[in-house]
Amino acid sequence: NAGVTQTPKFRVLKTGQSMTLLCAQDMNHEYMYWYRQDPGMGLRLIHYSVGEGTTAKGEVPDGYNVSRLKKQNFLLGLESAAPSQTSVYFCASTFRGREGYGYTFGSGTRLTVV
Amino acid sequence: QQQVKQSPQSLIVQKGGISIINCAYENTAFDYFPWYQQFPGKGPALLIAIRPDVSEKKEGRFTISFNKSAKQFSLHIMDSQPGDSATYFCAASGNNAGNMLTFGGGTRLMVKP
Repeated sequence: NAGVTQTPKFRVLKTGQSMTLLCAQDMNHEYMYWYRQDPGMGLRLIHYSVGEGTTAKGEVPDGYNVSRLKKQNFLLGLESAAPSQTSVYFCASTFRGREGYGYTFGSGTRLTVV
Repeated sequence: QQQVKQSPQSLIVQKGGISIINCAYENTAFDYFPWYQQFPGKGPALLIAIRPDVSEKKEGRFTISFNKSAKQFSLHIMDSQPGDSATYFCAASGNNAGNMLTFGGGTRLMVKP
């Protein structure tokens, strides 16, 4: 089925460990995003990409890095995990252009940092 | 600082009732206002959206009302059903290069049978 696939779905990290979250989409979308979801705070943008090889910071980028080496993949890295990064992470994608703006979201990665 | 403020945080409605969720925004450059619906364990999914050239948009039981002068918009769910129980997010976007959305804090809706 077409859509956005996130791996892994769950992960527990110890403080200071690093990890990479993978997002893959098969809809040929130009734009991709990483959001984190925390109770009462909605979804906050971490980083985004408007095309292969380009990335930009969002609202809460500190402690995260991203890469988009292929159009269909968007990777989110945690360099040295902290308990404040415990959250549910969502990847999303959409087409370029101002019509629709409809995002397709993945099903999320629940990350716990202990 | 949250640019889109959503209320209430939680809402309980009886089956058949009307659910109303409100959002207010600050940035006058916003010109696209979608609502997303999220079920537990799933990602948000686009429900309905409006642009400020109209004051209301209806799709089935879901209606967005938009008040440009007050910088407010709301989602009305008519004849609410238990299957509507979910978390709802309002969002807003302006003419930015990355089609970036700013989300409200979310409303957890429970529709009682």
